[in-house]
Amino acid sequence: AQSVAQPEDQVNVAEGNPLTVKCTYSVSGNPYLFWYVQYPNRGLQFLLKYITGDNLVKGSYGFEAEFNKSQTSFHLKKPSALVSDSALYFCAVKQQASNTGKLIFGQGTTLQVKP
Amino acid sequence: SAVISQKPSRDICQRGTSLTIQCQVDSQVTMMFWYRQQPGQSLTLIATANQGSEATYESGFVIDKFPISRPNLTFSTLTVSNMSPEDSSIYLCSVEIYAGQSTDTQYFGPGTRLTVL
Repeated sequence: AQSVAQPEDQVNVAEGNPLTVKCTYSVSGNPYLFWYVQYPNRGLQFLLKYITGDNLVKGSYGFEAEFNKSQTSFHLKKPSALVSDSALYFCAVKQQASNTGKLIFGQGTTLQVKP
Repeated sequence: SAVISQKPSRDICQRGTSLTIQCQVDSQVTMMFWYRQQPGQSLTLIATANQGSEATYESGFVIDKFPISRPNLTFSTLTVSNMSPEDSSIYLCSVEIYAGQSTDTQYFGPGTRLTVL
């Protein structure tokens, strides 16, 4: 069965410091991996995805993520955090061979960036 | 990407009643989905809304409770029937956009926040 784990409920960083939000996955075959962000009282916004190719993927708002096949991880990173990055972040996976479009989401990680 | 709107944005309903949520997309899309996000929880797929045919439901969700319509490629509705407080959640629709060599990216609407008293 496919699954996604986000081991940290909350990540706290100081503004200007680098941030990492962790994600590991389990899926048979090759995965499609995604990161979404949810601001309070808002829907999910797409940040970035890994489909194939370069393991380092760059996305919106200066975020990037690194696909590591051996560790089955897809951690979200940003070199310098902003207070406005404070939000709820979701990692999601889809089986590449799937024709259903179904995304499996992690439990979410709250990022708190303090001034 | 796509511009996705949902109506209503929020509602407070009495138990035993039903609420229909609308999802409108600004372009034709092949795949539309409905998700539920219970308080403090992650997203769970309810069903895939199929144009011109019955929706495909995930395990634990049934058509009698969550009837879905999709009359065309830009519009879908989700009804939450015979509501109970346990149905209090955010309901989100999403669409999958293909561009070129398969992007398989889902974009989400703003959500409908439902509270059942």
